[in-house]
Amino acid sequence: GESVGLHLPTLSVQEGDNSIINCAYSNSASDYFIWYKQESGKGPQFIIDIRSNMDKRQGQRVTVLLNKTVKHLSLQIAATQPGDSAVYFCAENISGGGADGLTFGKGTHLIIQP
Amino acid sequence: ETGVTQSPTHLIKTRGQQVTLRCSSQSGHNTVSWYQQALGQGPQFIFQYYREEENGRGNFPPRFSGLQFPNYSSELNVNALELDDSALYLCASSLEPNTGELFFGEGSRLTVL
Repeated sequence: GESVGLHLPTLSVQEGDNSIINCAYSNSASDYFIWYKQESGKGPQFIIDIRSNMDKRQGQRVTVLLNKTVKHLSLQIAATQPGDSAVYFCAENISGGGADGLTFGKGTHLIIQP
Repeated sequence: ETGVTQSPTHLIKTRGQQVTLRCSSQSGHNTVSWYQQALGQGPQFIFQYYREEENGRGNFPPRFSGLQFPNYSSELNVNALELDDSALYLCASSLEPNTGELFFGEGSRLTVL
């Protein structure tokens, strides 16, 4: 089975609230993690990445948290907007990307309620 | 600056046929990766090309092959198509091979009947 998975297939949040999307991984050798957003009919779009020597990284309205002890990754989106509606994938890689490719999870569908 | 473009956007083939999908990478990117995305699933890594050579490969059979050209554009070829090859094929370019920051195209939707 996949080493990267998500706890919930669908997440519904109110516009303006914060969203938290979770991801579990099983490969202890993974040292690089990435979040992607895929809108309907489009290819995945890079959001943010984090390496295993960090436990938190912030971007514009997004924060990624990494807990290596329990092999858990989360993406927090602040003040969720209608444009945030999409499927969100976590992806992992051993040794920084490249020749091994990225291993994607199945995705979480984020639905924004007005 | 143009993004990653793929062609065709949709195509239908029958079992046993062959297909070629094309990708133009983003300006300045020398690396191209191909992914297969089945409906409702995350993308799966097929292979990566860097400087016109295959730089890495996922768990796909040899009937999946590729090329990268001097202008860094790329092709994905699939021979002896099977029903399970029906999927969205995504091309992604990047500035260098060892990054997770990939720039994806919108994909080519292949249906095998």
